[in-house]
Amino acid sequence: DQQVKQNSPSLSVQEGRISILNCDYTNSMFDYFLWYKKYPAEGPTFLISISSIKDKNEDGRFTVFLNKSAKHLSLHIVPSQPGDSAVYFCAAKDTNTDKLIFGTGTRLQVFP
Amino acid sequence: ETGVTQSPTHLIKTRGQQVTLRCSSQSGHNTVSWYQQALGQGPQFIFQYYREEENGRGNFPPRFSGLQFPNYSSELNVNALELDDSALYLCASSLDWGYTEAFFGQGTRLTVV
Repeated sequence: DQQVKQNSPSLSVQEGRISILNCDYTNSMFDYFLWYKKYPAEGPTFLISISSIKDKNEDGRFTVFLNKSAKHLSLHIVPSQPGDSAVYFCAAKDTNTDKLIFGTGTRLQVFP
Repeated sequence: ETGVTQSPTHLIKTRGQQVTLRCSSQSGHNTVSWYQQALGQGPQFIFQYYREEENGRGNFPPRFSGLQFPNYSSELNVNALELDDSALYLCASSLDWGYTEAFFGQGTRLTVV
């Protein structure tokens, strides 16, 4: 039973445009949601998080939106840059156990 | 301030053998979690250590065990290795239990043949 889902395995976006990565979850007990970026041969790097009591958090080019009624969150990257090309993981933090539950990732490719 | 470091970076073991993976947490961090990432999947939580005690466990058999030391570094031990244990093993440290951000090491790529 996958509690965090990223249904798009890949996304291709032109440089300068907006990248939108989506994530769905099933468990209402998550208190935080996080996005990580992963380059090959490196560990995941923390990007941005959002508390379950908020609906938007912004950090530079990165904005995360949370829709609790739809159990859906999205990461917007504007403008997209070639260096953003990586695998992006959505993760949810379980309130009771403190563990992170990850989605399967979306590979973003930003082309010139 | 040093980040999370893991050793070794790559390892090849034979089915049935035992393996120990090591993790040095980020300076000042007392909470360490271990994750297994199989090819094409997201990281799966194995267990967490907080102040040298196991503080939560995912759906992994008892042959996956761990330790956390007084300096908060950690080990992951896997006994009786199986082919399906081949994966990237990631260690993540957090400043304290319940802290939102977890910082990952570069991982150890384990191949079981």
